[in-house]
Amino acid sequence: DVKVTQSSRYLVKRTGEKVFLECVQDMDHENMFWYRQDPGLGLRLIYFSYDVKMKEKGDIPEGYSVSREKKERFSLILESASTNQTSMYLCASRGSPGGANVLTFGAGSRLTVL
Amino acid sequence: GNSVTQMEGPVTLSEEAFLTINCTYTATGYPSLFWYVQYPGEGLQLLLKATKADDKGSNKGFEATYRKETTSFHLEKGSVQVSDSAVYFCALSGFGGSNYKLTFGKGTLLTVNP
Repeated sequence: DVKVTQSSRYLVKRTGEKVFLECVQDMDHENMFWYRQDPGLGLRLIYFSYDVKMKEKGDIPEGYSVSREKKERFSLILESASTNQTSMYLCASRGSPGGANVLTFGAGSRLTVL
Repeated sequence: GNSVTQMEGPVTLSEEAFLTINCTYTATGYPSLFWYVQYPGEGLQLLLKATKADDKGSNKGFEATYRKETTSFHLEKGSVQVSDSAVYFCALSGFGGSNYKLTFGKGTLLTVNP
C-alpha cells in the first residue's frame, strides 16, 4: 500500500516562528498536495506539486511556501506563523491504480500557533 | 469553477439505521466523483469512486451513484454500525491543467450510537 508519512502529528509554535511540515511518500508518485482542514470549511488546497522542483498555488497559498527537492518529499513552510494558521494540515500523494484521480492522505499534522 | 455541496451535519443515527448523505456538484465537463472517509485521529481515505455517469461506486456496504442529470452523488448505506462513525467528504476532479486537482465538500460528521 502507498504510505504517506507526516513527520509531526502535533506541533505548538509561537507567533512569528518559522515552521516546517514534512511529508514523505514511498511509492514514487509524481504529484503531492498540501491541504488544510478547518471545522465548517472542509479541506482547502494550499499548494501542490506535479514533479520535483515544480509547484503550483492552490486556493489559499498566502502565508505559505513549499519545497520539493526530492520526489518523495514535499515540505510546507510557514515563514512567520500566525494564529490564524492554527489548523490541521494534510499531505496527500496522487496515485491512480484504478485509473482514477485517487489521493492517498497522511494522518495529518495538527498545528497550534500561540 | 468546480464546487461540491454536501449535507451539513452532524448526523446522529442508531445502529442498523439507514444512512443517506446528500452531495451535489457543479463542474464543467465530466468530472470523476469520490467519497472519502476520515476516522477519528486519522487522515482521509478513499471510500468509493465513480468516473462516469450512471456508474455506481461501492465499498464496505456503502454505495453512491453518479447522476449527471441531477449532478448528484449521494452516499447511502442500508444498515450503519458504530464503527462507521466518522467524517465523510464528497469530492470531484476534472482532468487536465488546474482541473486535475480535487475539490472537496465541507464534510459531514456521522455519529452512530449503539
